[in-house]
Amino acid sequence: GENVEQHPSTLSVQEGDSAVIKCTYSDSASNYFPWYKQELGKRPQLIIDIRSNVGEKKDQRIAVTLNKTAKHFSLHITETQPEDSAVYFCAAPWGGSTLGRLYFGRGTQLTVWP
Amino acid sequence: DGGITQSPKYLFRKEGQNVTLSCEQNLNHDAMYWYRQDPGQGLRLIYYSQIVNDFQKGDIAEGYSVSREKKESFPLTVTSAQKNPTAFYLCASTPEGTGGAREEQFFGPGTRLTVL
Repeated sequence: GENVEQHPSTLSVQEGDSAVIKCTYSDSASNYFPWYKQELGKRPQLIIDIRSNVGEKKDQRIAVTLNKTAKHFSLHITETQPEDSAVYFCAAPWGGSTLGRLYFGRGTQLTVWP
Repeated sequence: DGGITQSPKYLFRKEGQNVTLSCEQNLNHDAMYWYRQDPGQGLRLIYYSQIVNDFQKGDIAEGYSVSREKKESFPLTVTSAQKNPTAFYLCASTPEGTGGAREEQFFGPGTRLTVL
């Protein structure tokens, strides 16, 4: 199956700074890359995703970039706020399979200090 | 918070007992998933089902069992064979059977299981 690695495992930034989380994947045929945010004690929720036919996607303060050649994709959060503090997960499918499952990274604990 | 529900929110089990976690969705989704979450481990897939009356093992299926008799329900049984069951369990669903590989997964609120 897919091997998704996520770095860093923890990230602390000052309010207003930018945060970047990176994931790598192993299957060059993978074609969908979502990012989920999980606040403490709550369920994960999709915040942004990207498909393999584009290199970048933005939604207000968050953006995702995809480098298919290097097989990595990154989450960028600009002008961070304390409410951005959460665990962030990346994921990728096994591209050549019809099985409807994702492989998740281990998560990044982001802390934004006021 | 409607759409996909899990019960109970907290569950305590004595060693040697089987327990069943409930997951129900009214989104008319074909695919449903069970994940286990431990600190620092991310989301690990236990079982998933792309269609009624069919399911596949995930990465950590040992000690767990599931059924998918109805489209809206996907209960998970944690058996006594699961040696370390204390964890946070999340259920999820996607609209189409293969959709979990390229569509948003909608998560339930989770069940926290503690073995006493």
